[in-house]
Amino acid sequence: RKEVEQDPGPFNVPEGATVAFNCTYSNSASQSFFWYRQDCRKEPKLLMSVYSSGNEDGRFTAQLNRASQYISLLIRDSKLSDSATYLCVVNKPGYSTLTFGKGTMLLVSP
Amino acid sequence: GAVVSQHPSRVICKSGTSVKIECRSLDFQATTMFWYRQFPKQSLMLMATSNEGSKATYEQGVEKDKFLINHASLTLSTLTVTSAHPEDSSFYICSARIRQGNTEAFFGQGTRLTVV
Repeated sequence: RKEVEQDPGPFNVPEGATVAFNCTYSNSASQSFFWYRQDCRKEPKLLMSVYSSGNEDGRFTAQLNRASQYISLLIRDSKLSDSATYLCVVNKPGYSTLTFGKGTMLLVSP
Repeated sequence: GAVVSQHPSRVICKSGTSVKIECRSLDFQATTMFWYRQFPKQSLMLMATSNEGSKATYEQGVEKDKFLINHASLTLSTLTVTSAHPEDSSFYICSARIRQGNTEAFFGQGTRLTVV
């Protein structure tokens, strides 16, 4: 099983749609979880951290299920500007490093 | 948020030459910086962890003699790709975390290396 595995993409959705991304991680000892956004040919930027109780930031909702080792990101009312690759990121227990998923590309069309 | 500056953003070099990439933390001290490589449509792959004042820790499969890392100060880490070959063409990104533990990573702007 890969350390961090994400839905394959791309996801093509119309403006205004709701889209959900899923991610699973292999190491049950992981403690920190993040969703990053990466635009084409740019560096990744933090979208939001993922907390055990779930958290929301505007149109974005992140959830964590430790028992299933599963993380999700929900985007409501998609905008054209949401088009990007979304990276699921998990810390590597015992190390200061982060492990990145392959990313899921989202394409929002008019 | 914290700022990490990476330079150059783009470089084209001839096969066999060496290229140095700099990564600076502008408003914080980073005892540890990380170097990643990303090939097209692939995830970021950690190459090495750069530790200030000591040797870098390389991931399995990354040649330490080819990818030289120097972290001489708390705000600067450099990655030198020696004797570059076309297969080294990639997007190289550095990142730093302000402190250990559960904090986000801040990324440099990345360097797109093309070896011709």
